[in-house]
Amino acid sequence: SQQGEEDPQALSIQEGENATMNCSYKTSINNLQWYRQNSGRGLVHLILIRSNEREKHSGRLRVTLDTSKKSSSLLITASRAADTASYFCATDLFPIMYSGGGADGLTFGKGTHLIIQP
Amino acid sequence: DADVTQTPRNRITKTGKRIMLECSQTKGHDRMYWYRQDPGLGLRLIYYSFDVKDINKGEISDGYSVSRQAQAKFSLSLESAIPNQTALYFCATSDSVNEQFFGPGTRLTVL
Repeated sequence: SQQGEEDPQALSIQEGENATMNCSYKTSINNLQWYRQNSGRGLVHLILIRSNEREKHSGRLRVTLDTSKKSSSLLITASRAADTASYFCATDLFPIMYSGGGADGLTFGKGTHLIIQP
Repeated sequence: DADVTQTPRNRITKTGKRIMLECSQTKGHDRMYWYRQDPGLGLRLIYYSFDVKDINKGEISDGYSVSRQAQAKFSLSLESAIPNQTALYFCATSDSVNEQFFGPGTRLTVL
């Protein structure tokens, strides 16, 4: 099945710095989402970018999507200790079956574990 | 109150036992999902349901079954638990705009 792959697997930066995580996927998508997971907890949706969009912003988050390279990046600016978490990209599991954009299941990468050093 | 709740939050059981994990939501969403997460990995879809009469297999449905008792309730069963089903299980819901809302998770250990 198609699956996003995040890079790097782990990232440690100083508070206040920017953090960039990348995601690559294998096949066509309807959209790509980023989620955050604090240790052992449920995932929290951060941002969704559709296949016809190239960039999207939400607060300190900036997401880009390059469908020609099948890749996306998540930038967190001015990082804070509370940003310490694992970050996952997710894409449609069945993009062809549900090309109309319905909410089907998602397929996730293994995540980037981000540590913000105070 | 949480929008998506899961019970139990933790469960330890033995090989061969039948286990049911329950999920309830107050978001009024039609779509519900069950995922499992293994250490250091992302989530993998087990089953999903678009409404009470619609149940679909995900990536890794073998060894699992589900029941959609009502719009708000979606249960996951392990008919005969085995050790490699030890994982963190998440329920999620969504409407038609793709964002999914996750429950807090159930940590299942099969001895």
